[in-house]
Amino acid sequence: DAKTTQPPSMDCAEGRAANLPCNHSTISGNEYVYWYRQIHSQGPQYIIHGLKNNETNEMASLIITEDRKSSTLILPHATLRDTAVYYCIAGYSTLTFGKGTMLLVSP
Amino acid sequence: SAVISQKPSRDICQRGTSLTIQCQVDSQVTMMFWYRQQPGQSLTLIATANQGSEATYESGFVIDKFPISRPNLTFSTLTVSNMSPEDSSIYLCSVPGGRGRTEAFFGQGTRLTVV
Repeated sequence: DAKTTQPPSMDCAEGRAANLPCNHSTISGNEYVYWYRQIHSQGPQYIIHGLKNNETNEMASLIITEDRKSSTLILPHATLRDTAVYYCIAGYSTLTFGKGTMLLVSP
Repeated sequence: SAVISQKPSRDICQRGTSLTIQCQVDSQVTMMFWYRQQPGQSLTLIATANQGSEATYESGFVIDKFPISRPNLTFSTLTVSNMSPEDSSIYLCSVPGGRGRTEAFFGQGTRLTVV
């Protein structure tokens, strides 16, 4: 798996968009970009993934740069329940978790 | 998405004993993964368990310490043997999303405290 770099923490006001960046400059051609989150003491929850194109689902949007060296996870209207550690992973069949970004959503 | 059940959800064990953690999936899967999450840390892959073959262990993890069984396509167990306080962690199992899907899904984990 390619190494990823994420800011250790971010803050977001409730109702605003949360934009979480991830750098994966060594990603290889067949590796996907995955995003998971882990709410305190729970198992990681799959959010979204993509290869080249931007993706959107009911939880979030994923924007991948054209050179695939970085991506941004967008939570369009953050709520208090979105407070969690967000992991960006570049890989294929197995997942290598980094330290992630602790997102704190405040009222 | 797959529904994954882990048992027990938590346990407190004496050092020197062993604990077997069960992982049940609601669909048949070829691969199952076992992770460890030490306090305040990220997840670390312990091993990959394929049905019908020996588990493949990651660097730093050995079969004598973490034996894994995979008797069928919906079930696996991870045993933490001869436990010490350093084994206190959350242990999680994970499975791929299914045919043609590359994302993975996780159980809620087993919180183990060794005293």
